Amino acid sequence: AQSVSQHNHHVILSEAASLELGCNYSYGGTVNLFWYVQYPGQHLQLLLKYFSGDPLVKGIKGFEAEFIKSKFSFNLRKPSVQWSDTAEYFCAVINYNQGGKLIFGQGTELSVKP
Amino acid sequence: DAGVTQSPTHLIKTRGQHVTLRCSPISGHKSVSWYQQVLGQGPQFIFQYYEKEERGRGNFPDRFSARQFPNYSSELNVNALLLGDSALYLCASSTYPGEGLETQYFGPGTRLLVL
Repeated sequence: AQSVSQHNHHVILSEAASLELGCNYSYGGTVNLFWYVQYPGQHLQLLLKYFSGDPLVKGIKGFEAEFIKSKFSFNLRKPSVQWSDTAEYFCAVINYNQGGKLIFGQGTELSVKP
Repeated sequence: DAGVTQSPTHLIKTRGQHVTLRCSPISGHKSVSWYQQVLGQGPQFIFQYYEKEERGRGNFPDRFSARQFPNYSSELNVNALLLGDSALYLCASSTYPGEGLETQYFGPGTRLLVL
């Protein structure tokens, strides 16, 4: 069965700390991966995506993610977090065998202390 | 350009009632998907429509139905509401739902509370 697993449910960091959020997927088809972010009171926004090519993808607000096919992983990173990065982060894989079904992980809540 | 819009923003219903949620995609987008997000979980796929045809359906009961109109807007209908249907219902739109091409953009959602 297709699934996405996010290792951390809640991460607490101080400003300027480095961030890495883990994401592992289980899916046998064409692998297109996404990270979405949900800031408090706002809707889901696309942070970055991987379709093909360079496995290191850069997104908005200084975020990047690395696709490692052998590890079925797509971890999100940021070298120095800010208080404004406080949000919930969702990793997702798209299942083209069921239309364009996005399969989401359970989310990681990031709290950044000023 | 306007993003994905959804209406209403909030809704309170009682068990057994019916509800209709509406979504307008980003201009130029022809595909609409619906998701249910329960508190503390990631969104769960309900339906996807492209050019008024259903392309995919998630593991939801037949009480859930949807349709897409010629202007690509969409409605999600839920009959015989249960307490467990209380959730945030998200609509997402994309240009063309082709393999290796699709990026979905989400609206603000409709928060449904069933009493």
